[in-house]
Amino acid sequence: QVQLVESGGAVVQPGRSLRLSCAASGFTFGTYAMHWVRQAPGKGLEWVALISYDGSDKDYAESVKGRFTISRDNSKKTLYLQMNSLRIDDTALYYCARPRCGDCFSDFFDYWGQGTRVTVSS
Amino acid sequence: DIQMTQSPSTLSAAVGDRVTITCRASQSISSSLAWYQQKPGKAPEVLIYKASSLYSGVPSRFSGSGSGTEFTLTISSLQPEDFATYYCQQYNRYSSGDTFGQGTKLEI
Repeated sequence: QVQLVESGGAVVQPGRSLRLSCAASGFTFGTYAMHWVRQAPGKGLEWVALISYDGSDKDYAESVKGRFTISRDNSKKTLYLQMNSLRIDDTALYYCARPRCGDCFSDFFDYWGQGTRVTVSS
Repeated sequence: DIQMTQSPSTLSAAVGDRVTITCRASQSISSSLAWYQQKPGKAPEVLIYKASSLYSGVPSRFSGSGSGTEFTLTISSLQPEDFATYYCQQYNRYSSGDTFGQGTKLEI
């Protein structure tokens, strides 16, 4: 069965960096685009970034553009989110999510991980 | 940029009620809209995609309608397990403004 397992969340100070990982199993990871979505405590869902199946295309929300970098290693079936210059408002539960259609950018998410928590605090 | 406006933000209802949640897009997104249910401490789960298609395994009391800029999610007869938060999502273009609506908390 499809599984997405995020890790790497931590408590960090403003301005520091953190890298999140999402380990995938149960499907052909290298044929799917992948996304990161976050949810601040008690708040709604916010789309963060997407990456194509081969890593050649990426896109970001304006709120993270220039600070976050999405990447993937298909040989390890792992998705990453490098987060630099972290701000207090980056505090959230970060989910990785898979679109149903495979390598297409415009589709809904049929599988989500359980999330990894990032807290940015001084 | 696309703005997604979901209403109401909170909805009080009882078991057996019929409820409707609305989602409006600031520009046409065709039928590129999904509805998710999220329970506390859990990841969202898709209910409806392509505005009106029921995702596999989702009970038939859930239905969606609309196209263009106005969409609705209807639960025909509320069950105890339906009390949760619901989000609409446009997937026409991810990086152009809002992807998700603000959410509707359905409570007793």
